[in-house]
Amino acid sequence: DAGVIQSPRHEVTEMGQEVTLRCKPISGHDYLFWYRQTMMRGLELLIYFNNNVPIDDSGMPEDRFSAKMPNASFSTLKIQPSEPRDSAVYFCASSGLSNQPQHFGDGTRLSIL
Amino acid sequence: SQKIEQNSEALNIQEGKTATLTCNYTNYSPAYLQWYRQDPGRGPVFLLLIRENEKEKRKERLKVTFDTTLKQSLFHITASQPADSATYLCALDGVPSNTGKLIFGQGTTLQVKP
Repeated sequence: DAGVIQSPRHEVTEMGQEVTLRCKPISGHDYLFWYRQTMMRGLELLIYFNNNVPIDDSGMPEDRFSAKMPNASFSTLKIQPSEPRDSAVYFCASSGLSNQPQHFGDGTRLSIL
Repeated sequence: SQKIEQNSEALNIQEGKTATLTCNYTNYSPAYLQWYRQDPGRGPVFLLLIRENEKEKRKERLKVTFDTTLKQSLFHITASQPADSATYLCALDGVPSNTGKLIFGQGTTLQVKP
């Protein structure tokens, strides 16, 4: 069982650049979640999808953030333009049903200089 | 809005003792609560889920209680081992309920000394 796969593991870029984070959920899982983790705010839900459809994006900080799920096996989180305050660890998670445990990837550590 | 509180101070205990971590919440009634373990540089890993109509759940050396009157969950690790050292996160079913949306606490770091 491959688990949730995220790429890249680390990303360092300069402010103003576009950043794209990628996620491959566990096969057969209908729910996909994007989280951001910082020391100050902990683990925050940004957006989640059910059957490739965005259900709740109320956690997306602002219009610079966007997420897509073009098919059941792939999702992206994009930040454009990036800012230093976007520096955090971004996690993707998936689950089979809405009230089942979530399986997390190992995250992307993003640093915006 | 929903608020979740976990003890922000690290918990240091001796190997073999029971570790007890607390998760308190206010302003709503979740349908279920989950506990996750997170190691440095890794994503959270699911441990246990307990529903609102369950008082207690056990899995090997782990035990979770859920008191909906006190709005509190306790997470116990018995016969603790240095390998249990990690950050433990509680997560509550968000609003609307049973949609998959989870609200996470800040986590409590446990250090088990040999």
